Amino acid sequence: GAGVSQSPSNKVTEKGKDVELRCDPISGHTALYWYRQRLGQGLEFLIYFQGNSAPDKSGLPSDRFSAERTGESVSTLTIQRTQQEDSAVYLCASSLGRGIGTQYFGPGTRLLVL
Amino acid sequence: QQQVKQSPQSLIVQKGGISIINCAYENTAFDYFPWYQQFPGKGPALLIAIRPDVSEKKEGRFTISFNKSAKQFSLHIMDSQPGDSATYFCAASESGGYNKLIFGAGTRLAVHP
Repeated sequence: GAGVSQSPSNKVTEKGKDVELRCDPISGHTALYWYRQRLGQGLEFLIYFQGNSAPDKSGLPSDRFSAERTGESVSTLTIQRTQQEDSAVYLCASSLGRGIGTQYFGPGTRLLVL
Repeated sequence: QQQVKQSPQSLIVQKGGISIINCAYENTAFDYFPWYQQFPGKGPALLIAIRPDVSEKKEGRFTISFNKSAKQFSLHIMDSQPGDSATYFCAASESGGYNKLIFGAGTRLAVHP
């Protein structure tokens, strides 16, 4: 595709439920990143993939958060037992993996936990 | 040490004026400094980026000024237009961008006609 795509664009869930957020990076981009953006705030790093492995998971806020990437392509961010403080926009970015490391962002998934 | 501090939080500029946003960092290992523009409901889009081996980079109306000794960098938007009204984020990264971006808190810019 032309850019990074994310689905769903919006997700409303009840506290305690699990959610899965999907990211399709730009074709050929080997690096993939997840960030979280709370309302009116900057972006917080969550996890970084190079290929299918995650050399940096330091931003995952708790063990309720996990992510995987398969086929050096699609990535899924899973939040278990959602809490109200998980409400945010979850953004995915990808980069080429060589040369200048420009990160291209998707439109995000807006998660609301009631 | 991982923080990037951005100011001001909000900025109002008249059409045709100059918008200036400032950022400061502590981590001397940072070697890639991008600026992102974000419109409501959209993901951030790269505007311009600089490496620490140059003190200034200009692309059209957008200029980054970089002061390595002061650990500060700034974005200047010349001839600001209403279409520039958006939130701007500075960021910093190690390893030339192949690493997590550490973002500033953002500056909401409003350009009045």
